[in-house]
Amino acid sequence: KAGVTQTPRYLIKTRGQQVTLSCSPISGHRSVSWYQQTPGQGLQFLFEYFSETQRNKGNFPGRFSGRQFSNSRSEMNVSTLELGDSALYLCASSLTQVQNTEAFFGQGTRLTVV
Amino acid sequence: AQSVTQPDIHITVSEGASLELRCNYSYGATPYLFWYVQSPGQGLQLLLKYFSGDTLVQGIKGFEAEFKRSQSSFNLRKPSVHWSDAAEYFCAVVSYQKVTFGTGTKLQVIP
Repeated sequence: KAGVTQTPRYLIKTRGQQVTLSCSPISGHRSVSWYQQTPGQGLQFLFEYFSETQRNKGNFPGRFSGRQFSNSRSEMNVSTLELGDSALYLCASSLTQVQNTEAFFGQGTRLTVV
Repeated sequence: AQSVTQPDIHITVSEGASLELRCNYSYGATPYLFWYVQSPGQGLQLLLKYFSGDTLVQGIKGFEAEFKRSQSSFNLRKPSVHWSDAAEYFCAVVSYQKVTFGTGTKLQVIP
């Protein structure tokens, strides 16, 4: 079956703009988590959605938001982009909540803010 | 708060040599522990996981890891490294539905 699909793969945005990233989980998976990966901070947890509800949130400002649709697809939005938001954004899907099930990762969206 | 430490930022081994990547965690109870591998420009792939039971877990690609509660460690091992193992390896802890990753260890394999 198809893996986790993230679109777009690459994005270049200007400071102050907003951006929306998309993640389609593996069919049947109901949990979607988002992560930010940067050389300086490593992999940091953004938030997790399960059955259209945000179940957990990392330590990121309110400019970072997300949502999950009834088909489990998820979007992540970053408003008022800053240079420091440049990163690889990874999405992972799990059958149930992330606690004790394997998470499958997409290839990520590389966001560059100029 | 939970934390994960991977003390080795970069490791270089010869092809065919054995490998051990270190991971220490800080958490009150028994956590769920994972090792992931990331090739350049790619997402993360799960190598193995520990939830409970046998403390020596086998994973894909010939990797294994041992959970040692007394040392709060979950080190990854491979008896004979292949050139294709060159990548970055991440240890992760999951508790209360939150995942915490270590900073990663970059593995270089020399012929």
